[in-house]
Amino acid sequence: GNSVTQMEGPVTLSEEAFLTINCTYTATGYPSLFWYVQYPGEGLQLLLKATKADDKGSNKGFEATYRKETTSFHLEKGSVQVSDSAVYFCALLAGGGADGLTFGKGTHLIIQP
Amino acid sequence: GAVVSQHPSRVICKSGTSVKIECRSLDFQATTMFWYRQFPKQSLMLMATSNEGSKATYEQGVEKDKFLINHASLTLSTLTVTSAHPEDSSFYICSARDFGQGYTFGSGTRLTVV
Repeated sequence: GNSVTQMEGPVTLSEEAFLTINCTYTATGYPSLFWYVQYPGEGLQLLLKATKADDKGSNKGFEATYRKETTSFHLEKGSVQVSDSAVYFCALLAGGGADGLTFGKGTHLIIQP
Repeated sequence: GAVVSQHPSRVICKSGTSVKIECRSLDFQATTMFWYRQFPKQSLMLMATSNEGSKATYEQGVEKDKFLINHASLTLSTLTVTSAHPEDSSFYICSARDFGQGYTFGSGTRLTVV
């Protein structure tokens, strides 16, 4: 079946540090890959996505590249801010899109000033 | 952008009672909605897919008689947890899909059964 594995948290960084949150997946076929962010007390918001190999999704300074050879979609940001503190979920959508998303467990990111 | 409203955000109920959670797409029509459950420090797990005007499709291991899903209109899906027990306490999140806008999530419902 499909699965997503992402690094366990919490991840604590200082402001302006470089961020990497690892995400690897197992899926049949060619899934689309997503990163969602959940700020405290809010619902999930799409952060970025990539629909095919070698695509790079980017938004708000965050980037992730769809690596088929390593089945990975690691999230990176060059300089994090306190406002980036949230829970980040890696997810995939397999098949024709008729099914729901398969999520990783989420990574709680804490940025300290 | 697309907005999904989920209500209530928190609910506490007594064991043995039923609780209904609503998920509404506010500015678009959602032919398909999804219900997820999130345990502490765990993934969001897909419970069922709700299709407007037809029966929901439940994931393996999810009791359809316990988690009743109704998607009677293009803007509303409801999840009813029947005869709730403490082990049903969890965070439930709905997601609506519109082919023009992808997936939009509600803000979730924290259910506590006492």
